[in-house]
Amino acid sequence: DAKTTQPPSMDCAEGRAANLPCNHSTISGNEYVYWYRQIHSQGPQYIIHGLKNNETNEMASLIITEDRKSSTLILPHATLRDTAVYYCIVMPGGYNKLIFGAGTRLAVHP
Amino acid sequence: DAGVTQSPTHLIKTRGQQVTLRCSPKSGHDTVSWYQQALGQGPQFIFQYYEEEERQRGNFPDRFSGHQFPNYSSELNVNALLLGDSALYLCASSPERGHQETQYFGPGTRLLVL
Repeated sequence: DAKTTQPPSMDCAEGRAANLPCNHSTISGNEYVYWYRQIHSQGPQYIIHGLKNNETNEMASLIITEDRKSSTLILPHATLRDTAVYYCIVMPGGYNKLIFGAGTRLAVHP
Repeated sequence: DAGVTQSPTHLIKTRGQQVTLRCSPKSGHDTVSWYQQALGQGPQFIFQYYEEEERQRGNFPDRFSGHQFPNYSSELNVNALLLGDSALYLCASSPERGHQETQYFGPGTRLLVL
């Protein structure tokens, strides 16, 4: 079973920041937080991952709370092409089996 | 770099038949994982292949089997198809070393069982 809780859906206006929350209150010390997204009719796409420090790459930023029980994925300037299902996944480093939950369906509107 | 490729893109079969799906991993990747995604749900892990051996397996019956070839490409076989096997089948590849969790997915094969 997935070890994360995400809202089923969210809306965001184009050009604004999209903040997607994820609760992982039972996370262990050696477990990373991973984010993937799946645009309609495509395979999932890796976005970002982190252990306890905040991370940023060309796609997004990941903010992990100090107690590591929750995190937020930030898309700084959402576009229509960011409309997708976003999955938050928790698993140990080196563990190669992704366990997907239901994810958050993000709709970016003009 | 072609990324992960899968064939065919779509497939229609009838109950009881057998199907073989194919996957070519991203260049430089030697580990292949297969996932099943039913409509409206997240992908479910089927199994993973490394060095031509099944390394991990999810909660799927023996009707689901696979193979990995020396060039790292892989096949997923499903025997005695059921209506419930209708789904999008995704292949993902990753390097054995480095960020193994950063899996790269193909576009999937959409299987319809009638």
